[in-house]
Amino acid sequence: GAGVSQTPSNKVTEKGKYVELRCDPISGHTALYWYRQSLGQGPEFLIYFQGTGAADDSGLPNDRFFAVRPEGSVSTLKIQRTERGDSAVYLCASTLAGLPTDTQYFGPGTRLTVL
Amino acid sequence: AQSVTQLGSHVSVSEGALVLLRCNYSSSVPPYLFWYVQYPNQGLQLLLKYTSAATLVKGINGFEAEFKKSETSFHLTKPSAHMRDAAEYFCAVSDPNTDKLIFGTGTRLQVFP
Repeated sequence: GAGVSQTPSNKVTEKGKYVELRCDPISGHTALYWYRQSLGQGPEFLIYFQGTGAADDSGLPNDRFFAVRPEGSVSTLKIQRTERGDSAVYLCASTLAGLPTDTQYFGPGTRLTVL
Repeated sequence: AQSVTQLGSHVSVSEGALVLLRCNYSSSVPPYLFWYVQYPNQGLQLLLKYTSAATLVKGINGFEAEFKKSETSFHLTKPSAHMRDAAEYFCAVSDPNTDKLIFGTGTRLQVFP
């Protein structure tokens, strides 16, 4: 596609529910990143995929958060037993090769609200 | 460990005035530095990046930044502000081991007519 897309754009859920957030990277990009942006803050790293494997998941806050990228393209971020503190904008980015000098192209984000 | 600090969460300028947004970095290795802009209800867009070539980097929309190792700074400037420059600006450093970006807290630029 022309850019990184994320669905849904907005998600409202109740405390304790399960949610899935989807990211479609730019076609051909091997590296995919998830970030979380809370109100008034910069994006914070969650997890990084190189191909199908998670190369770095050190940013996942706890075991309620999980992400997959089974075919090396689309990725899904999964959050179990959501808490109000999970409310944030979840951003996805992709790069061609995952090099530190690569430009990360960001999607518009998914705004998650946990009531 | 890498980190960036953005001084000033809000900056206000008049249209046509100089824009200066400050970013200082901390890095144990030569850093790769980025400036991103976030317009309301839009995703982050790269303005420019420093990858150890020229220390003065020119980006889109008339912005530029200068890498100063002695001052550990990478400030963003634009000679003449436009109303359309009103947005949130983020400085970031790339982790050389995992390629993730480490962002500052952002600076909101307001431009007054």
